[in-house]
Amino acid sequence: EAGVTQFPSHSVIEKGQTVTLRCDPISGHDNLYWYRRVMGKEIKFLLHFVKESKQDESGMPNNRFLAERTGGTYSTLKVQPAELEDSGVYFCASSQDLGGREQYFGPGTRLTVT
Amino acid sequence: GIQVEQSPPDLILQEGANSTLRCNFSDSVNNLQWFHQNPWGQLINLFYIPSGTKQNGRLSATTVATERYSLLYISSSQTTDSGVYFCAAIRWAQKLVFGQGTRLTINP
Repeated sequence: EAGVTQFPSHSVIEKGQTVTLRCDPISGHDNLYWYRRVMGKEIKFLLHFVKESKQDESGMPNNRFLAERTGGTYSTLKVQPAELEDSGVYFCASSQDLGGREQYFGPGTRLTVT
Repeated sequence: GIQVEQSPPDLILQEGANSTLRCNFSDSVNNLQWFHQNPWGQLINLFYIPSGTKQNGRLSATTVATERYSLLYISSSQTTDSGVYFCAAIRWAQKLVFGQGTRLTINP
């Protein structure tokens, strides 16, 4: 069974540009999460999808971030326009159901904004 | 919300030594997980352990839910064990709350 995959593994963009990160969850997992670790700080939650619906987006930092999960399969996270403070590692995770089930993490996308 | 605290923040050991990392959480949890972030930034799932004890090779973990802590043991440390170790917990909402991490450095 394939794990959670993320693309790209690393992205370097200039301030003001747009970047789109992609996450493919484990097949059959309705729950998809985005987290990020910036500036060597702790990893923080961004948002949670159940199928194609946003269940909780309380961690999204501002309206420069837009997440979608069309069709309830893969998800994209767009940053537009990117700022220097957006640099960090963005992780995607998926789980089979709710109730505190184990979340399986992808390898992450390292975003560098210069 | 739930608070997750890890100790120590930094740990430097020689290859072959054993180490114990601690994770305290402020309330009862439905989920507790341990991760290793390697030098390339990838987050590796180690254990899903809301209670009890699990072992995987040189690594083992114990969670005492009633006392609100979890321990990660690494025996016979190798240089490849270096990196940051995170624990994370869920109480009611579905989002994992992460601790600040323990940076482990294993010197040859």
